[in-house]
Amino acid sequence: AQSVTQPDIHITVSEGASLELRCNYSYGATPYLFWYVQSPGQGLQLLLKYFSGDTLVQGIKGFEAEFKRSQSSFNLRKPSVHWSDAAEYFCAVGASNFGNEKLTFGTGTRLTIIP
Amino acid sequence: DTEVTQTPKHLVMGMTNKKSLKCEQHMGHRAMYWYKQKAKKPPELMFVYSYEKLSINESVPSRFSPECPNSSLLNLHLHALQPEDSALYLCASSLDTRSGTEAFFGQGTRLTVV
Repeated sequence: AQSVTQPDIHITVSEGASLELRCNYSYGATPYLFWYVQSPGQGLQLLLKYFSGDTLVQGIKGFEAEFKRSQSSFNLRKPSVHWSDAAEYFCAVGASNFGNEKLTFGTGTRLTIIP
Repeated sequence: DTEVTQTPKHLVMGMTNKKSLKCEQHMGHRAMYWYKQKAKKPPELMFVYSYEKLSINESVPSRFSPECPNSSLLNLHLHALQPEDSALYLCASSLDTRSGTEAFFGQGTRLTVV
């Protein structure tokens, strides 16, 4: 069965600073990887996804992520954060033999932005 | 239209009440999902409908009863819930359940059981 680990429960970053959120996955075959963002009390919005091909993936709101098979990682990055980026971020993996039916989420990383 | 619409946004119900949550999408998606999310936790899959048929039930108690009347609509009927069922209930849809199709989430229904 697949699993996702987000090692950082809470990260605080100054506005304008760079950001990297870590995600490690465990899955025997080629994973489908996603990053979602959730503002308090809201639903989840897809930031970006990796299915195959180029390992550097561009998403919305200036985010990007890099798939590294050798490290089983899919870290999310942004060169300069804005106060509106404060939210909960979830990494998720989809099993390639079940597709979305077995979308497994990590425990999330809460991002706080300080002026 | 890339929206998944959930109603109501908030719901307070007693343990003897019967209520329903509603989810609607008009993207032509044929897979729809119910997730439960407790505070400070990730979403947990409850049910999956594929082409209006229930394809996955993640051992959810029978006090939760899903229904998919047509390809655009998904309901979750609630009866005799417990206070520990209080959570954010998220609906999602995707083109189908094939590998790699992305899921679009609604804003959720915040349920409080008193």
